[in-house]
Amino acid sequence: DGGITQSPKYLFRKEGQNVTLSCEQNLNHDAMYWYRQDPGQGLRLIYYSQIVNDFQKGDIAEGYSVSREKKESFPLTVTSAQKNPTAFYLCASSSRTGSSNQPQHFGDGTRLSIL
Amino acid sequence: GEDVEQSLFLSVREGDSSVINCTYTDSSSTYLYWYKQEPGAGLQLLTYIFSNMDMKQDQRLTVLLNKKDKHLSLRIADTQTGDSAIYFCAERGGGNKLTFGTGTQLKVEL
Repeated sequence: DGGITQSPKYLFRKEGQNVTLSCEQNLNHDAMYWYRQDPGQGLRLIYYSQIVNDFQKGDIAEGYSVSREKKESFPLTVTSAQKNPTAFYLCASSSRTGSSNQPQHFGDGTRLSIL
Repeated sequence: GEDVEQSLFLSVREGDSSVINCTYTDSSSTYLYWYKQEPGAGLQLLTYIFSNMDMKQDQRLTVLLNKKDKHLSLRIADTQTGDSAIYFCAERGGGNKLTFGTGTQLKVEL
């Protein structure tokens, strides 16, 4: 089945540690996105990528890094510089028609907690 | 910047209609979306409407858009317990980026 796979579902981070969240899609979508969700808040955009080997900062990029070496993969690293990483992280992707992105489709999320 | 607002909670009885409201500020919005999120899961795209439309109906879902007032609503007819979830409104503005509301928790009571 086509879809977006995020792993792991649950992740724990120790102080001072970097952790990487995986996002893979087999929908042949060009664009991929990472969002952070905190209780009682909407989704906030961390990073997005419209094409392989290119990505842009979203609204809350500090303390995070990404790479886009392959079309189907967009991993997110939560670095030790992110002082409040506990949140639910959602990956999304969308296709493009001309210069316009189609609706975003989401994975099932990764819940990151601090040990 | 862009802002999208929703009320936090809505409680309805099974079989009644639910109406979830959303207001946005970006007048250049091209598309507006409704997503559903069940506990511990990602967001599921329910429906979307292009900004030059007033209404879109899809089975039990009706989306109404008042572009002048920048007001969007989602009506769910014959609400069922399986409709209990958080509903997010989102608008697509410049740069193809989405701005999400805070989400409305819909509780369906028997």
